[in-house]
Amino acid sequence: TQLLEQSPQFLSIQEGENLTVYCNSSSVFSSLQWYRQEPGEGPVLLVTVVTGGEVKKLKRLTFQFGDARKDSSLHITAAQPGDTGLYLCAGESGGSYIPTFGRGTSLIVHP
Amino acid sequence: KAGVTQTPRYLIKTRGQQVTLSCSPISGHRSVSWYQQTPGQGLQFLFEYFSETQRNKGNFPGRFSGRQFSNSRSEMNVSTLELGDSALYLCASSLVMGQGSGELFFGEGSRLTVL
Repeated sequence: TQLLEQSPQFLSIQEGENLTVYCNSSSVFSSLQWYRQEPGEGPVLLVTVVTGGEVKKLKRLTFQFGDARKDSSLHITAAQPGDTGLYLCAGESGGSYIPTFGRGTSLIVHP
Repeated sequence: KAGVTQTPRYLIKTRGQQVTLSCSPISGHRSVSWYQQTPGQGLQFLFEYFSETQRNKGNFPGRFSGRQFSNSRSEMNVSTLELGDSALYLCASSLVMGQGSGELFFGEGSRLTVL
C-alpha cells in the first residue's frame, strides 16, 4: 500500500511555464520532505515542513503543507530546464521515524 | 566534506547469484539506511543501521540483509538473486535518523541488473 500518492506522475512543459505537483495521503504526517532526484544521482533534500499550513519558499519553488498535515504541494514558477528531475515527497507518520516515499513526479522542462 | 559513497555504481548478475553493495556515509553520520528504487514501486525502505545495530527493517524477504561496521560503513547483501531484484539501491546517511525530521543524504546508488 502506497501511503503517499503523488500527482501527476509525469509532466512535460516548456521553459517559463508554472506548475504544481501534489502529494496526498490519508495519514497525518509529523513532517514531510521534498526531494529532487536528477538522472544518475541520488535524491537531494529541498525542504522539510512540519507545521500544518506552513509555506516555505526556495527561490522559484513554493512548498505548502496542508492544514491537516495530510497533504503537500510544490509550485514552481517560471520553470527552467535545470528544474528537470524526479520530485519525491517523503513523510513520517504513525510514530514511525522511517520516512515513506511517494513514487514521484517526473518533470521535464523543455528549452 | 565528502558525500555518501556507494560502490559499485553498476553491476550485472545472473539469477541465483548473490551480491554485496557497499556504502560509506558522510563523516560523523552514524545512521545508514538502504532503499530500493524501481520505476513501479518508487523508493522502498530496506533497513536502517545505527551504531552497528539494525534499528528498523522494511518488508523485504530474508534474502536481503545488511550490516554496519564500527566506522559506520555499511554493506547490504542480496542472496539468491531474482529478476525482480533489478533496481537502483540507494544508501542514505543521517545524523539523527530514527528521531524524526532528520535530513537524508543519499549516495548516487548502485544499479543492479539481474539477468
